[in-house]
Amino acid sequence: TQLLEQSPQFLSIQEGENLTVYCNSSSVFSSLQWYRQEPGEGPVLLVTVVTGGEVKKLKRLTFQFGDARKDSSLHITAAQPGDTGLYLCAGATQGGSEKLVFGKGTKLTVNP
Amino acid sequence: DARVTQTPRHKVTEMGQEVTMRCQPILGHNTVFWYRQTMMQGLELLAYFRNRAPLDDSGMPKDRFSAEMPDATLATLKIQPSEPRDSAVYFCASGLGEGFRNTIYFGEGSWLTVV
Repeated sequence: TQLLEQSPQFLSIQEGENLTVYCNSSSVFSSLQWYRQEPGEGPVLLVTVVTGGEVKKLKRLTFQFGDARKDSSLHITAAQPGDTGLYLCAGATQGGSEKLVFGKGTKLTVNP
Repeated sequence: DARVTQTPRHKVTEMGQEVTMRCQPILGHNTVFWYRQTMMQGLELLAYFRNRAPLDDSGMPKDRFSAEMPDATLATLKIQPSEPRDSAVYFCASGLGEGFRNTIYFGEGSWLTVV
């Protein structure tokens, strides 16, 4: 069974701080996605990374896929209360399958 | 504004009762997924369909769960009989095409409590 471990599980910071959350596995994934989920809603896709070492930026969010395609990180610069939510990573197995394996998520709270 | 619609949003039922959750995928999407989310296990894939045909239901307990797509605009997930351990949020998601490069869109979920 392919597992994705996310850390930290919980993170509470003040507005304006920077943070990094991690997604790690012993398995290789053909791609990795990051989602944000707000209370009472379904996850919303933020980004997909495909190539080992790839870095993608989405405004204040920077996503990196590890060189070996086993891990990924999400860095948020100058966090804002609107960034509060559950951040989930999801890996696609080899072969481009759309069967995603999800981590349990990092619950981020940004206090004003 | 296209979105995946799920009903009911909330359901409380007694152990042993049948529960049916419904999903209307985004019009034109040909792939439909059912996920279950719990604190302990996170998001787990139960089953998914393409063009209404089941592709994989290996994540679903076969003895009590069943998933169908009666038509392209309706997917159903049925639990019979329900048990307290089935308490979770059940998400439907839809997408277009094949492979991980295609964005999938989640509904708001059906919150199920079995007492």
